[in-house]
This record gives sequence, structure tokens and C-alpha cells, in this order.
Amino acid sequence: GQSLEQPSEVTAVEGAIVQINCTYQTSGFYGLSWYQQHDGGAPTFLSYNGLDGLEETGRFSSFLSRSDSYGYLLLQELQMKDSASYFCAVLNTDKLIFGTGTRLQVFP
Amino acid sequence: ETGVTQSPTHLIKTRGQQVTLRCSSQSGHNTVSWYQQALGQGPQFIFQYYREEENGRGNFPPRFSGLQFPNYSSELNVNALELDDSALYLCASSFGGSGNTEAFFGQGTRLTVV
Repeated sequence: GQSLEQPSEVTAVEGAIVQINCTYQTSGFYGLSWYQQHDGGAPTFLSYNGLDGLEETGRFSSFLSRSDSYGYLLLQELQMKDSASYFCAVLNTDKLIFGTGTRLQVFP
Repeated sequence: ETGVTQSPTHLIKTRGQQVTLRCSSQSGHNTVSWYQQALGQGPQFIFQYYREEENGRGNFPPRFSGLQFPNYSSELNVNALELDDSALYLCASSFGGSGNTEAFFGQGTRLTVV
């Protein structure tokens, strides 16, 4: 089967750093993506890792270890607007396979 | 805003009916993928269209079908609606077919089957 595991919920305060982990087991793998989705909104692309290592985009960074079938999203200098659901997604040839999502709540 | 538009935004249908959802892809994109997102879950891949041809299908029954038009807009059709079809239906546009790394999602169509 195909599965992606991530924590269901994470809470943090403004200014803090949060790491959301993702482990995956899929039959095909091109890379690992991360998407953000606010309540009632569309998923929006955050980052993509096709190779092992760290990708940095502003306050957000993403890491991939293909040998461990593991990745994480690191959010720094948290802001209230970062409260949303975060999905890891495996890119498998023609499709994205999404995890069940991690709901991040940022408190003042 | 991603430039991907979906219509309608909300829809209520009765069990057994048929529904058509529409998606206009972002300018320059030739690939459209459809996803179903149940409440509290991640999006599930339904199928993808690349240059008007189906280019991959997820684990959905044949009553889920689609089309892509020459302008790369797309339709999702669902026949014989079931209560479990109630979900947010998302369209994602991208360029290049298999292996494209970034998908741009529309706001979705919220379908309720009663």
C-alpha cells in the first residue's frame, strides 16, 4: 500500500520554531512536496525536495532523506497567519499522494 | 491567487443524480489533475489529464470520469452520486505532464449529496 504519516496536530507560540515530520511508504517516488491549506482555502505549494538535503525558502525549510523515507518541514519565526493545515505529498509520476495533514495552531 | 478557477463553488445534489464540475487551468498550463478531499483528510488523486488525454487514474470507480478541452480547461463528471461523494473537489493545474513538481490548486467545489 501507500501511506504517509504525519502528526495530526501541533501547537506553538508566535516567534517559535516548529518541525512537522513526514514518513512515507509508496510504490513510486519522485520527490516530496509540502502544501499549506487554510480553512476553506486551496492547498498552496510551499516546497519540493527531489534530492536528499535541505531546501530553504524564507522562513520555511524542508528536508528529505530518501534512504529513511523521511522528510520534515521547518517553520521559523512563527506568525499567527501560519495557523493552517500542512500536508506532505509524495510526487509519484503523474500524481501527488497526500498525507492526512498536520493542523498547526499558533498562539500569541 | 493561483489563476485556477473552479465552478460552481458549492453544490447540493440528491443521491443518484449526476454532477459536472468545471476547472479553468492557469494560463500556459497543459495538465489538470482532480482531487477529492473529505473533511479532515488529505486530497485523494482522482485522475489527471495531459494534452486532452487521461494520464493516470487513482482508485476511483468508473462513474468518475473527465474531459480536457483544447484550451486545457477540464470537467469532472460523477454519475449515480452516493452520500460518500460529499467532499471538496479540487482541481490542480501544472505544466508538463508526469513529474511536474508544483501544482496550483483552485479553491474547489464543495459538493454535498443528500
